[in-house]
Amino acid sequence: DAGVIQSPRHEVTEMGQEVTLRCKPISGHDYLFWYRQTMMRGLELLIYFNNNVPIDDSGMPEDRFSAKMPNASFSTLKIQPSEPRDSAVYFCASSERVSLAEKLFFGSGTQLSVL
Amino acid sequence: QQQVKQSPQSLIVQKGGISIINCAYENTAFDYFPWYQQFPGKGPALLIAIRPDVSEKKEGRFTISFNKSAKQFSLHIMDSQPGDSATYFCAATWGGFQKLVFGTGTRLLVSP
Repeated sequence: DAGVIQSPRHEVTEMGQEVTLRCKPISGHDYLFWYRQTMMRGLELLIYFNNNVPIDDSGMPEDRFSAKMPNASFSTLKIQPSEPRDSAVYFCASSERVSLAEKLFFGSGTQLSVL
Repeated sequence: QQQVKQSPQSLIVQKGGISIINCAYENTAFDYFPWYQQFPGKGPALLIAIRPDVSEKKEGRFTISFNKSAKQFSLHIMDSQPGDSATYFCAATWGGFQKLVFGTGTRLLVSP
């Protein structure tokens, strides 16, 4: 398996623009997580899905952020409109149903820069 | 109460030395404590984990020491190598919580 695949690896955009981050979880994994990593706040859980259904979005910072999982092999995190303070590395992670939090497999992340 | 406090923020160790990273928690419901290792440009990857029914777990040069009464756990890297240079995150969760709570990370540099 190729692991969790995220795209793009790097995204540079201007304030006010819409940004869409993409994730393909490991096949067979029932849980998908979106994390944000910054120097100040470390790794923050934004939202997670179970069987494509959003379970907990309490970490989503504002209404500007939205996430979807239309099927078991694809998820998006959208920021509209983007702001400079959204600059961070965004990680997608997945895990199996049985060992939910025991082993998260992370993608390589998307480095987002909002100018 | 859901926080995990990690220290130090950064650490420099000479090759062959012992690296020690500490974490503390408040929530006594936590029952699983993993450590993740992250190299630059990569996502974190599970390194080693422990449950509170044991006080120590060793895998190669990596050891977790767990002190349930003090609500602390630590990662020890024996014979540290330059290839161990990375950021290390402790984390915690419990069976019904369904989420991992991460520490703020420790950037380890092992000098040759």
